[in-house]
Amino acid sequence: NAGVMQNPRHLVRRRGQEARLRCSPMKGHSHVYWYRQLPEEGLKFMVYLQKENIIDESGMPKERFSAEFPKEGPSILRIQQVVRGDSAAYFCASSPRERGTQYFGPGTRLTVL
Amino acid sequence: TQLLEQSPQFLSIQEGENLTVYCNSSSVFSSLQWYRQEPGEGPVLLVTVVTGGEVKKLKRLTFQFGDARKDSSLHITAAQPGDTGLYLCAGEGAQKLVFGQGTRLTINP
Repeated sequence: NAGVMQNPRHLVRRRGQEARLRCSPMKGHSHVYWYRQLPEEGLKFMVYLQKENIIDESGMPKERFSAEFPKEGPSILRIQQVVRGDSAAYFCASSPRERGTQYFGPGTRLTVL
Repeated sequence: TQLLEQSPQFLSIQEGENLTVYCNSSSVFSSLQWYRQEPGEGPVLLVTVVTGGEVKKLKRLTFQFGDARKDSSLHITAAQPGDTGLYLCAGEGAQKLVFGQGTRLTINP
């Protein structure tokens, strides 16, 4: 039973480019959460999605950031026109139901040059 | 806004010693979780506590949830170098987890 998959594991972008982070939830999980972690800090909630719906995006910056979880395929976190401050580890978690245990992926480490 | 304060942020002790990590908030949480995170990896769930006053044991690790469900502690007995890592507490808020800033634990042989 495969866990949460994220790719790429490492992503390097220059300022102004776009970053696309992918998350495949565990089999049977239809709830996906994205978190961001700065070095030596805890994780900060960004967005919560169910299939084809954004449920809570209160932690996501209003500009440049977007997320989707289509009917088919992985969840995507998209960052347009990246800036140095976007450099962080981005984690995805999935859950089988609302308020269920969240299982985390290995993360994508984004570095903006 | 719900916040969780973890203390200490950094802790370095000798193998065989005992330690306690604290997680405090002014907010009530329906449940609280403890995770351990290794460098370059995602958090791995250790335990979930749900009931006020609940105590759970995982080998040498003891987790306690405060009576008012606002705070929690993690106690490690006879720490070993393999316990080294980042420990995170997380409270279940409205449809998301609220994380503390973490405790970086180093156990020296």
